[in-house]
Amino acid sequence: DAGITQSPRHKVTETGTPVTLRCHQTENHRYMYWYRQDPGHGLRLIHYSYGVKDTDKGEVSDGYSVSRSKTEDFLLTLESATSSQTSVYFCAISDGQLNTIYFGEGSWLTVV
Amino acid sequence: SQQGEEDPQALSIQEGENATMNCSYKTSINNLQWYRQNSGRGLVHLILIRSNEREKHSGRLRVTLDTSKKSSSLLITASRAADTASYFCATAPLRAAGNKLTFGGGTRVLVKP
Repeated sequence: DAGITQSPRHKVTETGTPVTLRCHQTENHRYMYWYRQDPGHGLRLIHYSYGVKDTDKGEVSDGYSVSRSKTEDFLLTLESATSSQTSVYFCAISDGQLNTIYFGEGSWLTVV
Repeated sequence: SQQGEEDPQALSIQEGENATMNCSYKTSINNLQWYRQNSGRGLVHLILIRSNEREKHSGRLRVTLDTSKKSSSLLITASRAADTASYFCATAPLRAAGNKLTFGGGTRVLVKP
């Protein structure tokens, strides 16, 4: 398994509260991604990073922010969680070779 | 919107049978990849086919790519119960920044013992 650790793995939070999901990698890969997976929508890219402090938006970035202060860590923050952000969140990494990416085990977030 | 669309959305077969699923996409690509996801787990990379390749094999997996039709197929031969999972195609568009992939909605495969 690729050295990717997501935390927390499960979280229940209330609407309007901030939430931060953490992704930690031990592979020293340049690229890191946050996807969300929802029934009927497959996986959708939220944000990605192509280096320390270098990030960009994906197709569903509204309501999310990210930070990457170290190669190994990529944080996803929901500033004010909404019920529509209930989802499974996957972190992924890549060394840039042929776009192949490696996924973490997911973080299940429920916003009530 | 999703670049790749899998067909069928769900597939149920008996152990030992072959499973075939298809993926269509919209734009020109560098390569196309297939991933597997077991229930409650992350996606795992299975196989990659480049845009200048037409067919590729890996163990019991066979992937074809038809760039003129913008479609790909994944064949799993002699299926096993352990092949029960969701399968996703993912495309790497030409000139896409950030080494990104775009995923389809997946095909759920159930292999009955």
